[in-house]
Formats: sequence, structure tokens, C-alpha cells
Amino acid sequence: QKEVEQNSGPLSVPEGAIASLNCTYSDRGSQSFFWYRQYSGKSPELIMSIYSNGDKEDGRFTAQLNKASQYVSLLIRDSQPSDSATYLCAVKRGGNKLTFGTGTQLKVEL
Amino acid sequence: GAGVSQSPRYKVAKRGQDVALRCDPISGHVSLFWYQQALGQGPEFLTYFQNEAQLDKSGLPSDRFFAERPEGSVSTLKIQRTQQEDSAVYLCASSLNRQSEEKLFFGSGTQLSVL
Repeated sequence: QKEVEQNSGPLSVPEGAIASLNCTYSDRGSQSFFWYRQYSGKSPELIMSIYSNGDKEDGRFTAQLNKASQYVSLLIRDSQPSDSATYLCAVKRGGNKLTFGTGTQLKVEL
Repeated sequence: GAGVSQSPRYKVAKRGQDVALRCDPISGHVSLFWYQQALGQGPEFLTYFQNEAQLDKSGLPSDRFFAERPEGSVSTLKIQRTQQEDSAVYLCASSLNRQSEEKLFFGSGTQLSVL
């Protein structure tokens, strides 16, 4: 079992719709959770971090964490073509190392 | 500089050749990380420095991989006797200090192709 699992996609949504990206993790000791966006051929960029159960909103992005279910998600409201990218879920138990999932490719269609 | 700088951007090596990849982190950033990203995969942790000290090298896949950061700023990842399975993008990331380690700033990466 991989430490961080994501559906590779592609996930296709129409412009203006809500995109829902999901991630599960295996280590119950994980404490910090992150979503990175990676455009093709570019480096990852942090878009959201979440540390406690519940929702965290930042503009069009909402991160949701459920530690009991070992599940973290990212919602993107009013999806735009510029949101088309690979979204990487990453978790940290403690210390310094981030463990990434394989990423979900999102395509926002006109 | 304005961001994390990596060089070269692309590197083609013949199998068995040694390569050196350079990372110049954001000025003042204490923490520096190296990740390996294979095509279609997420980044895989290689090693971590706090200033000049290499605190975690658990992700280095073999003793052919070596990283250093002698003065606590620029870092070099060296791969000896390269193999085809070493072909990947090597990403360097830095962060300001231990308390904000989670906010990593990534460089553009070095794409290594071993023929």
C-alpha cells in the first residue's frame, strides 16, 4: 500500500464547475497535509495546507481533512481552464520529510 | 535571487558517466531538500539539509548518490556511474526555517536523461 494514494485521472470538469480531488494516506501519525499544483514541465507550487480536522477555505480553494478516515480533499470552485494541472497531495508525519502522492491530473474544459 | 535556481536545466549523460546537479536556494533559507520525480509520478524525497548539516539522507537510492551543502547555501547532488533508472527530474526545494518547513519553494528542476 502506498503511503499517499490519489487517483491519477484525468479528471475532466466543465468551466465553472466544482472540481473535487481526493487523497488517502496510510500513516495515522501524519500531522500536516498539503496540496501542491504542478503545471506540465514546471515545479510544484503550494496552494493549500491543513493541519486539523474540518475545512479550510482560501479563495476558490477549500481543503478538507478527516483524520479518522485518513482522507484529505481539495475542492476548486468555479473551475477555470488555468486550473488545468496536476494536483499533488503531500503529508508529513513530523520532522522534515514530505511524502507525495502520484498526483491527479485535472482538465477544465471550455 | 528571487527563487530557487537549479542548473543545468537539462542534462544528457551516457550510462556510467558521473553528473553533478546544482541548487542555489533562496537567500537566507535554512532548509534545503532534494527530490526525484520520475515521469508521471510524484516527487520522491532524497535528502534534507539544515544549513550545512545533512540531517536525513534516507531517500538516497544507492551509494552512487551523494549530496553536499558545505557552506550552508548552494547544494550539489552528485550521481556516480549513472544508470538508465536514474533518468528523472531532480527537484531542489528550500524553506525559511524549521518552523515553516512545510512551505517549500521548488526550483525548476534538472531533467536528467541517461542513455
